[in-house]
Amino acid sequence: DTAVSQTPKYLVTQMGNDKSIKCEQNLGHDTMYWYKQDSKKFLKIMFSYNNKELIINETVPNRFSPKSPDKAHLNLHINSLELGDSAVYFCASSPKIDRPGANVLTFGAGSRLTVL
Amino acid sequence: GQNIDQPTEMTATEGAIVQINCTYQTSGFNGLFWYQQHAGEAPTFLSYNVLDGLEEKGRFSSFLSRSKGYSYLLLKELQMKDSASYLCAVRDRSGGYQKVTFGTGTKLQVIP
Repeated sequence: DTAVSQTPKYLVTQMGNDKSIKCEQNLGHDTMYWYKQDSKKFLKIMFSYNNKELIINETVPNRFSPKSPDKAHLNLHINSLELGDSAVYFCASSPKIDRPGANVLTFGAGSRLTVL
Repeated sequence: GQNIDQPTEMTATEGAIVQINCTYQTSGFNGLFWYQQHAGEAPTFLSYNVLDGLEEKGRFSSFLSRSKGYSYLLLKELQMKDSASYLCAVRDRSGGYQKVTFGTGTKLQVIP
């Protein structure tokens, strides 16, 4: 199936631990994103990569480090997890970001992170 | 920066019409999107406007006025399955690249 897939879907961990979320898209898109959706359902952009190059880096703690080994993959590593990191993290992809047109975002199913 | 406002919640009756408004303030505007998100699921694309006017797609229509920084999503012949959150999102240029920023979403409840 053509899609944006992210793993794991659920992640429960203790404060202070380090965890990673992986994302892969087989849509041939050039641009990938990480969004965070908090308990109030506000969807906030964290990072964006265009063909492995970091192009958007919002005000996110240094504990969050994205890595894009190739344009089809974008992973998110989080160090020293805090309670406030509990949220749903959505990976998304779109065609080349600067191309005219809709450039619709296709989202993965989300990874629900719970920090205890 | 951007400021995107939409109502937090709305309730409408099955079979009726509902209009969800979105106002925004941004520089470098380059398109407005509406996404639908059912509880526990990913957002899915509904519509896109970059020029002023109405875009119609079946039961859903979206309107844009760039001079007023205003858009609305119109849902006709409401069905129970339309109960979801509707997210307004604005694309603009940020540091040389285009960025899509979402509003806080409007939770629509459709009642019998």
